[in-house]
Amino acid sequence: KNQVEQSPQSLIILEGKNCTLQCNYTVSPFSNLRWYKQDTGRGPVSLTIMTFSENTKSNGRYTATLDADTKQSSLHITASQLSDSASYICVVILSGGYQKVTFGIGTKLQVIP
Amino acid sequence: NAGVTQTPKFRVLKTGQSMTLLCAQDMNHEYMYWYRQDPGMGLRLIHYSVGEGTTAKGEVPDGYNVSRLKKQNFLLGLESAAPSQTSVYFCASKGDGGAWQFFGPGTRLTVL
Repeated sequence: KNQVEQSPQSLIILEGKNCTLQCNYTVSPFSNLRWYKQDTGRGPVSLTIMTFSENTKSNGRYTATLDADTKQSSLHITASQLSDSASYICVVILSGGYQKVTFGIGTKLQVIP
Repeated sequence: NAGVTQTPKFRVLKTGQSMTLLCAQDMNHEYMYWYRQDPGMGLRLIHYSVGEGTTAKGEVPDGYNVSRLKKQNFLLGLESAAPSQTSVYFCASKGDGGAWQFFGPGTRLTVL
């Protein structure tokens, strides 16, 4: 069982609409949680980084939230654009360094006109 | 800056053949990583390096070797390729004290 679970697995939304992606994790001890965007055929690109003490972090139209008590994070995309079509990956970094990292499988988002 | 580059972009090997994947970064980063990405699974760490001349095993190191002779380069070697090593391989780097990890474009490897 993956210790970082993301939902939904895939999502189709209309351009201009908002959406929220979910990430539940069980790994601990927790250092920080990241969201990455991965375009098809490309490497992941960092969107947000949050430590356990942060509740929210924004990067343009992307806003990530974190509830360390319930071990849940979400990524909210506002006013979606066609270029938002990608996989969004939740990553949990454990205390002890980047070698102690667990990646989620990702949510595949498709934005259609 | 080119960032993180990987060569080759694609490769097809026969079982038992060997090859080396090259990762290069021009950001003077201390940390470098090799991951593999397979369908239905999250990225998994193969090996990593915390500085020139150092390497360490990650989550799935078996069947792979690495070297970091120069700070800017991190090589991943497959001595005897197996079909189970068919995957997309990503290299990443991170500066000492930096929070952001930068990924390369990936190498798609098929082992027949």
